[in-house]
Amino acid sequence: QVQLQESGPGLVKPSGTLSLMCSVSGVSITSSNWWSWVRQPPGKGLEWIGEVYHTGSSNNNPSLKGRVTISVDRSKNQFSLKLYSVTAADTAVYFCVKLNSAPGTVSFDSWGQGTLVSVSS
Amino acid sequence: IQMTQSPTSLSASVGDTVTITCRASQTVRNYLNWYQQKPGKAPNLLIYAASTLQSGVPSRFRGSGSGTDFTLTISSLQPEDFATYYCQQSYSNPRTFGPGTKVEI
Repeated sequence: QVQLQESGPGLVKPSGTLSLMCSVSGVSITSSNWWSWVRQPPGKGLEWIGEVYHTGSSNNNPSLKGRVTISVDRSKNQFSLKLYSVTAADTAVYFCVKLNSAPGTVSFDSWGQGTLVSVSS
Repeated sequence: IQMTQSPTSLSASVGDTVTITCRASQTVRNYLNWYQQKPGKAPNLLIYAASTLQSGVPSRFRGSGSGTDFTLTISSLQPEDFATYYCQQSYSNPRTFGPGTKVEI
C-alpha cells in the first residue's frame, strides 16, 4: 500500500523559502512514476505546483514564475519542494501526490494527508 | 488548458441521481480525471481516463465524455457522497483542475 507523508515548517516568513519533504513508503521512488506537489489555499480549489521523476527531471507550473524547485532523494525514498520568495498568497495546504502514468491515462492516484503552511511575519 | 465545472454547487437528497459537467478550453482527449474531496481530507481519485472507475470506488459513480465535454454521474446518492468534486486534465502541462462542485444535502 502506497503511503505519502508531508513534513516541514507550518509557518514561513514573507520573502522566505517554503521547504517541504514527502516521505514515500510502499513503493520505490525509482519506480516508473512521477511525484508531484499540489496545493490548496484555505477554502479554495486545487493547484498543481509541479512534478519530478526519479532521474531528477522535473516540470513546474509556469504560474509560479520560476519560484519552484522539486527534487528527489532516492537514498531516502523522498522528494522535496522548495518555493522561494513566498507571500501570503502562498498560504495553503500542500499535498504530495503520486502520479500514475500509463498508456492513455495520467492521474493523481495516491495523496499525502496534506500539511498547512502559513506565510506570515 | 482552462477547466470549468457546472454547477458550482447543488443540493440533493439521499437516493437522488446527480450529474456534474466539466468542460475543457481545448481538447484533452480522454485525459480527464475526477476526484472527490471531503472537508479536511486529501482528494481521492474516483475516475481516470474519463470513464474508468478507480479500484475500490463504488459503481454508482460513472464518468463519460471525451474531447472537451465530460460528465460525472452519481446514481443513488449515499450520505458519504456529500463532498466536493473536481475534474482535472492531464493531457498537457500545466495540469489543471476545475474549480469544484460542492454536493450538499
